[in-house]
Amino acid sequence: GNSVTQMEGPVTLSEEAFLTINCTYTATGYPSLFWYVQYPGEGLQLLLKATKADDKGSNKGFEATYRKETTSFHLEKGSVQVSDSAVYFCALIPPRGSNYQLIWGAGTKLIIKP
Amino acid sequence: DAGVIQSPRHEVTEMGQEVTLRCKPISGHDYLFWYRQTMMRGLELLIYFNNNVPIDDSGMPEDRFSAKMPNASFSTLKIQPSEPRDSAVYFCASSTTGGWGTDTQYFGPGTRLTVL
Repeated sequence: GNSVTQMEGPVTLSEEAFLTINCTYTATGYPSLFWYVQYPGEGLQLLLKATKADDKGSNKGFEATYRKETTSFHLEKGSVQVSDSAVYFCALIPPRGSNYQLIWGAGTKLIIKP
Repeated sequence: DAGVIQSPRHEVTEMGQEVTLRCKPISGHDYLFWYRQTMMRGLELLIYFNNNVPIDDSGMPEDRFSAKMPNASFSTLKIQPSEPRDSAVYFCASSTTGGWGTDTQYFGPGTRLTVL
């Protein structure tokens, strides 16, 4: 079946550090891949997405590359800020023909210290 | 657009009472999703609708939970009777299938439910 696995948190970094949050997936064919972010007390919002192999999604300094060979979609940012503290969710939508729904990872809490 | 609207934002009730959560999706979106989020279980999909029709309700915990979508602009999630273990944040999200797999789910602000 389809599934998403994220690194467990919390991840604690100092401001301006380099960030990587690992995400790997299991799916048949070519799913679409997403990163959502949830700030404290809010709903989830889309951060970035990639719909085919080797695509790179980017937004707000965050990047993730769709790697079919390693079935991964790791989230990276070169220099984090305190305002990036949030919970980050990796997710996929299976290829057309499957039920249309997001398959979610467990979420990774990111804490940035000044 | 105002985004996905949920009400109430906070609900405190006593065990055994009926609770109704409401959602207004973004106009033009044909998919609507109900999620539950807890510390222990994370984010769980409860049910989703396409064009007002329930497609997959396998995530609904038990018969105490029910959801309806009487029209394209309104959905309810009802818990009757409520129990303390139902305490969670409930999110509604909507999306459109303008392009399979490329669509974003837009989340509402959530309803924080506390059952005493």
